[in-house]
Amino acid sequence: EVQLVESGGGLVQPGGSLRLSCSASGFTFNTYAMAWVRQAPGKGLEWVSGIRGSGDRTYYIDSVKGRFTISRDNSKKILDLQMNSLRGEDTAVYYCAKVGDYGDFDFWGQGTLVTVSS
Amino acid sequence: SYELTQPPSVSVSPGQTARITCSGDALPKQYAYWYQQKPGQAPVLVIYKDSERPSGIPDRFSGSSSGTTVTLTISGVQAEDEADYYCQSADSSGTYEVFGTGTKVTVL
Repeated sequence: EVQLVESGGGLVQPGGSLRLSCSASGFTFNTYAMAWVRQAPGKGLEWVSGIRGSGDRTYYIDSVKGRFTISRDNSKKILDLQMNSLRGEDTAVYYCAKVGDYGDFDFWGQGTLVTVSS
Repeated sequence: SYELTQPPSVSVSPGQTARITCSGDALPKQYAYWYQQKPGQAPVLVIYKDSERPSGIPDRFSGSSSGTTVTLTISGVQAEDEADYYCQSADSSGTYEVFGTGTKVTVL
């Protein structure tokens, strides 16, 4: 059974940093791309970042380029998102998602809430 | 930036058919996917590759594609289908993923 468990969310001041982690199990982690998707309170889904199975290529939405870094440790089956220079508009539930064989997000974690506020 | 446009809301009586559209310029070149999200829960994939249904998803959910528009159809709507639905696809380069604006389905 595929399981994705996020951690690391919390309250942080504007300009601060936070590191999210996603622990994966139930599939061959290093053969699948992974992604982070966020959802601001009362708003829709927004893809934030993606990373290939090998970790050699990463992708970001324009609004987080230069501030967020996605990475993975295939030996530990962990996906991370380092978030720096956080802004109020980054406040959201952040979901970790597995990318399926056809580019879909076939499995999702339960999400972790990030609140950026003074 | 690339956008996928959905109607904000769709209302349907139990047993009737709900159709949700999603429009985007790159849809003729990229697969589309559909997700169901209920309040307080993570999204669930209900359609992939425009029209394929993952295992465990009821066959009343179906997808279709025509030009720059894809459609999610829920036949014989049940009360449990009340949720937000999002389409998702990639931009024309295939590099960046985009979600649609979301459609709230209300079962009357």
